[in-house]
Amino acid sequence: KNEVEQSPQNLTAQEGEFITINCSYSVGISALHWLQQHPGGGIVSLFMLSSGKKKHGRLIATINIQEKHSSLHITASHPRDSAVYICAVLISNFGNEKLTFGTGTRLTIIP
Amino acid sequence: EPEVTQTPSHQVTQMGQEVILRCVPISNHLYFYWYRQILGQKVEFLVSFYNNEISEKSEIFDDQFSVERPDGSNFTLKIRSTKLEDSAMYFCATLIQGPYGYTFGSGTRLTVV
Repeated sequence: KNEVEQSPQNLTAQEGEFITINCSYSVGISALHWLQQHPGGGIVSLFMLSSGKKKHGRLIATINIQEKHSSLHITASHPRDSAVYICAVLISNFGNEKLTFGTGTRLTIIP
Repeated sequence: EPEVTQTPSHQVTQMGQEVILRCVPISNHLYFYWYRQILGQKVEFLVSFYNNEISEKSEIFDDQFSVERPDGSNFTLKIRSTKLEDSAMYFCATLIQGPYGYTFGSGTRLTVV
């Protein structure tokens, strides 16, 4: 059973559309990360959040701890937003922390 | 965002050969991690390293793997006798306080032939 589930797996949208990517998890976490992975493979951390909502430019991330759910939104999407977006949860185990990853959502924005 | 530097960016090696992947983490960070991503699969935890010791390792991290911080700067992952299934992208990461949490290296793509 996957501890972190993302949906959709693939998403294609027109430039300018509002994008939502969802993440659900089944374990207790200390924080949740949204990551961006470009075709070259590099991973960039977009957000780390443990409650509420964060905004950075056109990106918004929300988390509902009670429902074990998080969403990543992109407003006014642009072709350069095309990437794989990964949800990863930070799990603490006897003081040791590690990330458990979702399978990612491949986003393609068409001009 | 601060950088974590990994070298090499791509390595091709013969099955059975030893490889060393290198990471230069952000100075003064104490928590270091190696993750890997087999092509088409999700990123997996390998090992965490704190205060010059392994703090946790996954089932993947068997006796063929080792980590070191030999000079207090570079953080290395060694695979003693590579197998075809070790082909993957390997990421070094550090965990810091702040809005971004983890900082990932650019990755090393290891291809075992």
